[in-house]
Amino acid sequence: QKEVEQDPGPLSVPEGAIVSLNCTYSNSAFQYFMWYRQYSRKGPELLMYTYSSGNKEDGRFTAQVDKSSKYISLFIRDSQPSDSATYLCAMSVSSNTGKLIFGQGTTLQVKP
Amino acid sequence: DTAVSQTPKYLVTQMGNDKSIKCEQNLGHDTMYWYKQDSKKFLKIMFSYNNKELIINETVPNRFSPKSPDKAHLNLHINSLELGDSAVYFCASSQGFPPPKSYNEQFFGPGTRLTVL
Repeated sequence: QKEVEQDPGPLSVPEGAIVSLNCTYSNSAFQYFMWYRQYSRKGPELLMYTYSSGNKEDGRFTAQVDKSSKYISLFIRDSQPSDSATYLCAMSVSSNTGKLIFGQGTTLQVKP
Repeated sequence: DTAVSQTPKYLVTQMGNDKSIKCEQNLGHDTMYWYKQDSKKFLKIMFSYNNKELIINETVPNRFSPKSPDKAHLNLHINSLELGDSAVYFCASSQGFPPPKSYNEQFFGPGTRLTVL
């Protein structure tokens, strides 16, 4: 069993829909939770990070962390075709080592 | 442009050959990484260097040898290439040792797509 589980999809939604992307994890020592977005044939880029439990909002994006359930989510409101990409969750025990454990990524397609 | 750059972008080679991938960052970061992304898009860390010192060395065959000549460069040399080495290899960089509860973003390069025939 992988430390971080993420449904690879693909997930297809119409433009304007609310998208929910999720990851579960097994290591209770994880404290830092990140979402990266990766466009086709490009490197991942950081969308958001959260320390410990709670919510964080940035424009149309909201990240949620529930450490008691070992479950994290990324919500995208008013999804746009430009949001079509692979979304990777990543986690870390410590911010110092920089060792990120990634989920497999969920491929999202937003149709006009 | 400030960025993380990798060369080459594509690499096609025969089994058994030795090849190198180069990475350079001009972001002034002190920590650099190598990741491997397989055909299912699973991204896994291989190595990390901080100020030219190896700090992360995951379970990677010793055919893979990273080399950091200075803080801005991290190269990856692969000996005796195997079919299973086919993947996209990403270099990344960040500023190490952020304050507690903070995270310093890892900036990724464009990737090197390695195909072993």
